[in-house]
Amino acid sequence: QVQLQESGPGLVKPSQTLSLTCTVSGGSISSGSYYWSWIRQPAGKGLEWIGRIYTSGSTNYNPSLKSRVTISVDTSKNQFSLKLSSVTAADTAVYYCARDTEFPPNYYGMDVWGQGTTVTVSS
Amino acid sequence: QSALTQPASVSGSPGQSITISCTGTSSDVGGYNYVSWYQQHPGKAPKLMIYEVSNRPSGVPDRFSGSKSGNTASLTISGLQAEDEADYYCSSYTSSSTVVFGGGTKLTVL
Repeated sequence: QVQLQESGPGLVKPSQTLSLTCTVSGGSISSGSYYWSWIRQPAGKGLEWIGRIYTSGSTNYNPSLKSRVTISVDTSKNQFSLKLSSVTAADTAVYYCARDTEFPPNYYGMDVWGQGTTVTVSS
Repeated sequence: QSALTQPASVSGSPGQSITISCTGTSSDVGGYNYVSWYQQHPGKAPKLMIYEVSNRPSGVPDRFSGSKSGNTASLTISGLQAEDEADYYCSSYTSSSTVVFGGGTKLTVL
């Protein structure tokens, strides 16, 4: 049973870089045709897809965030990470990591989610 | 990319059926059978309910069903139960190899 757990600072100052890590347990991050994704949700609002990384290292990003986002993977630690630069109060949200399962031509959706971590951008 | 369009809220009585729509474009919903639906209870992480338009993951009750016509996908919940009260989000793969979510729909069980 694969589980995901987000970790990182809960408070980030404006203009700084938000850094979060998602640790995968119960399975190898390198096995299978999985994308590893980041999604966020401002308080009281909807879900926003941030981006994802394949185990090969290839990435896809939300065009609206692409200039500020970097997603990377560390297979030795079974982790993947999110960096969001030049943050503002608008980046305050609950950040989720998720497993996005795709075995072409099939797409099975984001079937495993972390519990989420709250990040506040404030001085 | 623009968010998929969902109604802000829907409601129904226990035992009834409700349908939530999710409208996109030919570059996302209409172009691929890669529409998913997620259920989110307050303070909890989203849960996958439907993938590939109409498929249910193991453990999801068959009261939940999905369909698609053109650029609009739909989630139908039949035999509404109190525990179905939650927010529901659709998502779709896009022609840019990205994923886009809908704005979310709050389901109230009266």
